[in-house]
Amino acid sequence: AQTVTQSQPEMSVQEAETVTLSCTYDTSESDYYLFWYKQPPSRQMILVIRQEAYKQQNATENRFSVNFQKAAKSFSLKISDSQLGDAAMYFCARLGSGGGSNYKLTFGKGTLLTVNP
Amino acid sequence: NAGVMQNPRHLVRRRGQEARLRCSPMKGHSHVYWYRQLPEEGLKFMVYLQKENIIDESGMPKERFSAEFPKEGPSILRIQQVVRGDSAAYFCASSPRPGADEQYFGPGTRLTVT
Repeated sequence: AQTVTQSQPEMSVQEAETVTLSCTYDTSESDYYLFWYKQPPSRQMILVIRQEAYKQQNATENRFSVNFQKAAKSFSLKISDSQLGDAAMYFCARLGSGGGSNYKLTFGKGTLLTVNP
Repeated sequence: NAGVMQNPRHLVRRRGQEARLRCSPMKGHSHVYWYRQLPEEGLKFMVYLQKENIIDESGMPKERFSAEFPKEGPSILRIQQVVRGDSAAYFCASSPRPGADEQYFGPGTRLTVT
C-alpha cells in the first residue's frame, strides 16, 4: 500500500513565529501531486498548497511554503508569521497522476497545530 | 459558483436504521469521490463515481454500503443497517475530469450511530 506518514500528531507555535510540519510518503510513480489540506473545527477541508512532483521549484502561497525533497519522498509545510486562524488539523495527501488510481487521494493521519497568542 | 454541497450536515441514526448521505458536486463537475474520516484518522477513499457509473468502489465495505450518481440529482451514499462503527464524517469531493490535480471538498456529513 502506498502510504503517507505524518510523524507529528501535535505541534504548537507562538503567534508570529514559524512552524514546519513534516510529511513523508511512499510511491512507485515518477509523477504525482502532493497537497496540504487544513481542517479547522468546522471540519471543512481547505486546500492550503499543492505541489506537482515533476516541478523542481517548491510551491509557495503567501505565508505557506513547502520543502519538497523528491528523492527523500519528503514534503514538509512551513507556515511563516503564524496567525491564530492557522490553528487547525493539517493533512498531507498524495494523488497519483497516472495508472489505474490517479483519482485516489491518500491522506496522512494529520497534525494538530495549536497557535499560542 | 456554489461549492460542493452535502446534506445533511449531521445525521443521527439508531443501530439497524438506514443512512442516506447526499452530495451535489460543483457545477460542471461530473466526477464524484466519497471519503470517510474515522475519529483521529485521516480521510480514506471509499468510492469514485461518474454520472450513472461506479468507476472504483475498492474502498467501500463489502456489505451494507452502496453509492450511486444518477443522471439527474445528487450522488447518494447509502448505509444500510448502520452499526456504531459507521459513526464517522463522510466527505464528498468533485472534480471536472478524472485525475484532475484538485478535488473540491464538501463540508462533510457527520454520522452518529446510537
